[in-house]
Amino acid sequence: AQSVTQLDSQVPVFEEAPVELRCNYSSSVSVYLFWYVQYPNQGLQLLLKYLSGSTLVKGINGFEAEFNKSQTSFHLRKPSVHISDTAEYFCAVSDGTGNQFYFGTGTSLTVIP
Amino acid sequence: NAGVMQNPRHLVRRRGQEARLRCSPMKGHSHVYWYRQLPEEGLKFMVYLQKENIIDESGMPKERFSAEFPKEGPSILRIQQVVRGDSAAYFCASSPTQQTGTARYTFGSGTRLTVV
Repeated sequence: AQSVTQLDSQVPVFEEAPVELRCNYSSSVSVYLFWYVQYPNQGLQLLLKYLSGSTLVKGINGFEAEFNKSQTSFHLRKPSVHISDTAEYFCAVSDGTGNQFYFGTGTSLTVIP
Repeated sequence: NAGVMQNPRHLVRRRGQEARLRCSPMKGHSHVYWYRQLPEEGLKFMVYLQKENIIDESGMPKERFSAEFPKEGPSILRIQQVVRGDSAAYFCASSPTQQTGTARYTFGSGTRLTVV
């Protein structure tokens, strides 16, 4: 079975500062990894995903994430955040043949002007 | 090219009433998944359906909850005799095939159920 741990429930950061949102997973099989963003009262929007290939994945809105198999991590980064990045961020894992996600509990990113 | 459509966006029910949540998958998608997001939590898988078949309902509560995806029309998540603990956001996702699965998921905007 898969599981996901998002180590920080809340991350405040000043505008234009860099940010890293941490995600660790556990799985006995190869996995797909995802980051989703959820704005207040909205659905989930896919930021980026790792299926195979290069371990550095670039997504929308300037976000990127690096898959580290030895550390079972998939941390999300952005070099300079904007006010509009304030949202809830979810890390998710699924196995390569599965049809369901296992989500972390989310990290609330607040960008301070 | 409409995405995954869920309705209603907001639903208020009194305790003991029934709630029906609808999900129309993306055009060309024949696989539907339902997830529940309780307050302050991540999404949790409930059920996976194809047309006229339930493939995996391992995440469904044993009582009061049911789901269907008929040959014609949207998928329906039905909650009978709602209780306050059912208050949550319910999200639907679709994918084109079983093989693509989560790699090609598209989520809807959700239905926010409030039980009063």
